[in-house]
Amino acid sequence: IAGITQAPTSQILAAGRRMTLRCTQDMRHNAMYWYRQDLGLGLRLIHYSNTAGTTGKGEVPDGYSVSRANTDDFPLTLASAVPSQTSVYFCASTARVGTEAFFGQGTRLTVV
Amino acid sequence: DAKTTQPTSMDCAEGRAANLPCNHSTISGNEYVYWYRQIHSQGPQYIIHGLKNNETNEMASLIITEDRKSSTLILPHATLRDTAVYYCIVRVGSSGAGSYQLTFGKGTKLSVIP
Repeated sequence: IAGITQAPTSQILAAGRRMTLRCTQDMRHNAMYWYRQDLGLGLRLIHYSNTAGTTGKGEVPDGYSVSRANTDDFPLTLASAVPSQTSVYFCASTARVGTEAFFGQGTRLTVV
Repeated sequence: DAKTTQPTSMDCAEGRAANLPCNHSTISGNEYVYWYRQIHSQGPQYIIHGLKNNETNEMASLIITEDRKSSTLILPHATLRDTAVYYCIVRVGSSGAGSYQLTFGKGTKLSVIP
């Protein structure tokens, strides 16, 4: 079934460790996004990519990096995790202007 | 990005129409209004979008005012499964294929009551 897949589903991570959240879509969508969701704050955009080879900063980019080497994959890296990065992370993709966004099932990350 | 304003929460009786308002007074001419919802801890789900005209699909109807400064999402016959957080989003204009951001606010928590 075509869609967007995130891995892992959940993770407990020691503070200071490096972690990469994976996101893969098989719909050949141009744009991809990473959001974090915290209680009472809604969804906040971390980074986005309009097309392979380009990335941009969202609302809360600090402490995160992304890459877009190809159309399908958009990994999110925490270079040195901190407890404030405990959150649920959602990856999304859109085909082009005016089309709907598809979201992954989310990754629940706990930094201790 | 144009900002949106939504009520924090709303209740609706099961079987009745749920009308969710959204204000977007700074919307520009080439920006679309999108609605998504999020059930429990799942990823957001697309519902509907529009530019100027009213739109309807199998899930909902979208009514956009003539001046485009506000809109209403209508769920014609709300069920318990429609209990969710509903997000109204105004999309930034594009400068190329696939080139736009989706910025979510806090949304409206809709509770459908038996």
